[in-house]
Amino acid sequence: QVQLQESGPGLVKASETLSLTCTISGAYISGYYWSWIRQSPGKGLEWIGYIYYSGSTNSNPSLKSRVTMSFDRSKNQISLNLKSLTAADTAVYYCARESGGYFDGSGLYMSGWFDPWGQGTLVTVSS
Amino acid sequence: EIVLTQSPGTLSLSPGERATLSCRASQSVSSSYLAWYQQKPGQAPRLVIYAASSRATGIPDRFSGSGSGTDFTLTISRLEPEDFAMYYCQQYGSSPVTFGGGTTVEIK
Repeated sequence: QVQLQESGPGLVKASETLSLTCTISGAYISGYYWSWIRQSPGKGLEWIGYIYYSGSTNSNPSLKSRVTMSFDRSKNQISLNLKSLTAADTAVYYCARESGGYFDGSGLYMSGWFDPWGQGTLVTVSS
Repeated sequence: EIVLTQSPGTLSLSPGERATLSCRASQSVSSSYLAWYQQKPGQAPRLVIYAASSRATGIPDRFSGSGSGTDFTLTISRLEPEDFAMYYCQQYGSSPVTFGGGTTVEIK
């Protein structure tokens, strides 16, 4: 049974960088795409980006300039860094495994559906 | 990006009744690449349907999905107490993937 657990600071200051980690058990990072998704009252569910064990990443154009993702194979973890935080980044952040992804006509990987999800971690950005 | 609009915002029904949830896309969703999730308070979303009509593992057969193009539907044939929750649709036919705003299914 695959389980994911997010961890990180619950409170961060505006203009700083958020760092989150997702620890995966029951499956190896290798061979799957892993995504970060956030949920806020104002914007609902928003896909942040994915990482593949090869190091390939892609992120939502709305966040691309502020997002960095990485992984630690030895710890079976993926990580998310989001810089230049504002109050609009206050949300519950989830990590999730992707399934059903595919390559489009130009060879770009397209994310599929998400299953399972971690329990989520609430991040509040304070001024 | 594709905008998904879910309706109604809230559905008030009694256990045993049929629930019909709608998800409409701002443009056609290629290959019916649409998923549905259930979310209960304080929990993460749980996959219910993928590829518009395929039930996820462990999902009872009272849940069914249908639709194509821009109009998709999630139907719960007979509501059980554990089905009262928020439901979201998600499209993955176009990048970036996007989610609908959700429909709350509440006990009448």
